[in-house]
Amino acid sequence: ETGVTQSPTHLIKTRGQQVTLRCSSQSGHNTVSWYQQALGQGPQFIFQYYREEENGRGNFPPRFSGLQFPNYSSELNVNALELDDSALYLCASSARTSGGDTQYFGPGTRLTVL
Amino acid sequence: KQEVTQIPAALSVPEGENLVLNCSFTDSAIYNLQWFRQDPGKGLTSLLLIQSSQREQTSGRLNASLDKSSGRSTLYIAASQPGDSATYLCAVRSAGGASGSRLTFGEGTQLTVNP
Repeated sequence: ETGVTQSPTHLIKTRGQQVTLRCSSQSGHNTVSWYQQALGQGPQFIFQYYREEENGRGNFPPRFSGLQFPNYSSELNVNALELDDSALYLCASSARTSGGDTQYFGPGTRLTVL
Repeated sequence: KQEVTQIPAALSVPEGENLVLNCSFTDSAIYNLQWFRQDPGKGLTSLLLIQSSQREQTSGRLNASLDKSSGRSTLYIAASQPGDSATYLCAVRSAGGASGSRLTFGEGTQLTVNP
């Protein structure tokens, strides 16, 4: 167990809807990253938040947005859902130190868009 | 742009066999490299992390090596067991700049160990 939790575990939405996914970081971690993993592929980096500010973004459109809260929990919001957004969404938390950081992954949220 | 490739895409072996999974990356300016295990429909479990200054890491029956200059890493699994069946992912953290601490993943090797 990594101490990183995600909710919900599964979600079904229809095209055009909006969705919010949640992640609770491991205690003491100030950085959270979100990844999208399509079936049969490796995870793709969406964005990262450090101390409540976006700190890097992958090749995803603006309809993917996020928040990090003062307690370092995080949300991933996706607007105008498309069929290709169906995937496993993973969050990873880490503690940024001078020695670097190791990312600890949650169990993921499986999103199905119909 | 960092790209990570894993070979083979799938591997099926009999129980007890030693095996090697391969990972290559295009940009040698990395901070570290990490091997993960993923069971079907589940999240990622970190197996081994190798810092850029290290050559290998070992944990139990697992040994990971890193040759940064050639852009390669291998994961060696000794005496494989059916419980080792899973997808193994290699991920690289690129060094500095706009990439921050993002991980770039390969597409994984799906391992099946037959009893």
